Amino acid sequence: AQKVTQAQTEISVVEKEDVTLDCVYETRDTTYYLFWYKQPPSGELVFLIRRNSFDEQNEISGRYSWNFQKSTSSFNFTITASQVVDSAVYFCALSRQGAQKLVFGQGTRLTINP
Amino acid sequence: DTEVTQTPKHLVMGMTNKKSLKCEQHMGHRAMYWYKQKAKKPPELMFVYSYEKLSINESVPSRFSPECPNSSLLNLHLHALQPEDSALYLCASSHGDHRGRQPQHFGDGTRLSIL
Repeated sequence: AQKVTQAQTEISVVEKEDVTLDCVYETRDTTYYLFWYKQPPSGELVFLIRRNSFDEQNEISGRYSWNFQKSTSSFNFTITASQVVDSAVYFCALSRQGAQKLVFGQGTRLTINP
Repeated sequence: DTEVTQTPKHLVMGMTNKKSLKCEQHMGHRAMYWYKQKAKKPPELMFVYSYEKLSINESVPSRFSPECPNSSLLNLHLHALQPEDSALYLCASSHGDHRGRQPQHFGDGTRLSIL
């Protein structure tokens, strides 16, 4: 069975602080895909990144960076110099090759205070 | 702006009403999804259509009836809903090939309230 755990239910920081959202996953598959989504108050889930299980390169996109470590089954997300617009619920998700079902974590509600 | 459009954005209905939620995408995606999301919870998959055929039904009650008239449109027909069905209903789409690998793209959702 597949499982995604986001242990941080809520995080609150002051603007310009760096913040890391943790994601730990469980799967027996050798090929799988990891995703991060952002859900602002408007409701839409915004796709941020996909990582393949065979590609452990970390990725940076502007203020966002992702650290994928298969050894610890983690796919953590860091926001550098956070901004108020980063306030949202962030979901980590997992899918297996050939499947259309996403397994979501419970989400982390991030609040950036001015 | 989202490339998956859902209407209406808000819907209030009584338990005896019949209504429909609509979803449209023009990204050429051949897989479309319905999710239900309760407050402070992750989305729960309800249905998946692949190439206009129902491929997944997550044991959803029959008062929810999906329909995929063509590759760009997805409907969710509602009838005799219960108060616990009040939630945010999200539509998503993805490429039909390379299942699992392709990210799903979501609409803004319909906030449904059952009186």
